[in-house]
This record gives sequence, structure tokens and C-alpha cells, in this order.
Amino acid sequence: DAKTTQPPSMDCAEGRAANLPCNHSTISGNEYVYWYRQIHSQGPQYIIHGLKNNETNEMASLIITEDRKSSTLILPHATLRDTAVYYCIVVTGNQFYFGTGTSLTVIP
Amino acid sequence: GAVVSQHPSWVICKSGTSVKIECRSLDFQATTMFWYRQFPKQSLMLMATSNEGSKATYEQGVEKDKFLINHASLTLSTLTVTSAHPEDSSFYICSAREVNPGELFFGEGSRLTVL
Repeated sequence: DAKTTQPPSMDCAEGRAANLPCNHSTISGNEYVYWYRQIHSQGPQYIIHGLKNNETNEMASLIITEDRKSSTLILPHATLRDTAVYYCIVVTGNQFYFGTGTSLTVIP
Repeated sequence: GAVVSQHPSWVICKSGTSVKIECRSLDFQATTMFWYRQFPKQSLMLMATSNEGSKATYEQGVEKDKFLINHASLTLSTLTVTSAHPEDSSFYICSAREVNPGELFFGEGSRLTVL
């Protein structure tokens, strides 16, 4: 079962930063937070993952609160191609259980 | 990066027939692969964990005799939907992981339509 809570939808202006929140208040100490996104009718695409520290890669940044009960995915300069459903996943063992995700719409 | 490939990407079949979907890890060996199902406007639902050389582990509520999983090699897992019915029409997605912890790579998905 998914252990995360995300807002169902968000809008973001093109060129602005998109900040997608995720609550995972029951996360355990050895569980990672992963972010994926899915564009319509395609397989999910990996974005980033982290355990305790903030992480950054060429796609996004992941900010994890000190108590690890929530995190935020940041797309620094959203483009129209970033319109997708974004999933925050807390990984238990080897299984990835998807929640309902956030449908992000980037507006021109 | 690692790639997971599925075949076929789209299949239409008659009710009562069986359909096989293949999932391959193209440049890494995967002792474990995962099968998901996704209905329109819904999230991905984990169906089963496919273990190379042993029986698959099915999630609660998923019929193992309906959805046969075979993981015969380190690069190939197959999902067979047996005696398909229209309600089995869905988007089936496989995934595989090279190392733990690490990225879970997803295939492109296979859309099944049962008439």
C-alpha cells in the first residue's frame, strides 16, 4: 500500500519553478523516497531519489525535511514537456507502491 | 541508462484467448522484475514480483492462475493473461531493478484490449 499523500493536481507557469509536495509521515528510517513521473500512455520515468539528504540532478532537486515526514520535488524551470503525473513513492524493501500522484500542468 | 523493453506494445484479442507479454532488461541482469496494471485515469497497481528461477509473488487480490508469470532468465519475464475477458483490458507495465537501492526502470507498457 502507498504510504504517501500528494495533492491531486497543480498548475505551474512555464519557466517558473514547480514545487511538488509529498507527505510520508509514517516513513521508516531505512526507507527511501523516490520520485517518478508518467506522461500519458507511457511507462513511468525516474526523476530522483533520496534517503535523508537533499539531492539534485539534471532534472530536479529533492528536499527532504529533517524529520523525513515530508519532501518536495522541485523542477527549477518548468517547461510544457514537464506536464505529467508525478508520483512520490516510499520504498519498502524491493517493492514500489504507487499512490495517486499529482497531475502537474505547465501553463504557457 | 538501463533500458527495459516490453513487447507487444499494443495487443487486441478475443475474449477467452490468452495473451503473453514479454519484458526484457536490455543491458543488465535482473533477478527481480515487477508487473503493474494501470486502468484509465488511475495509478499503477503492483500485481506481482517476478523472481528469476522461482515462483512469482502475487499481491493480495491478484489471481495467480489468471496472470501467469514466468521469469526464466535474468533478462526475461513474461506475463500471460489467461482466458482474457473485457475487464482485463488495461495497460500492463513491467519494471526491473539492477541494484538495491537504485533506480527502478520501467518498460514502455503494453496496452491490452479484449473484445
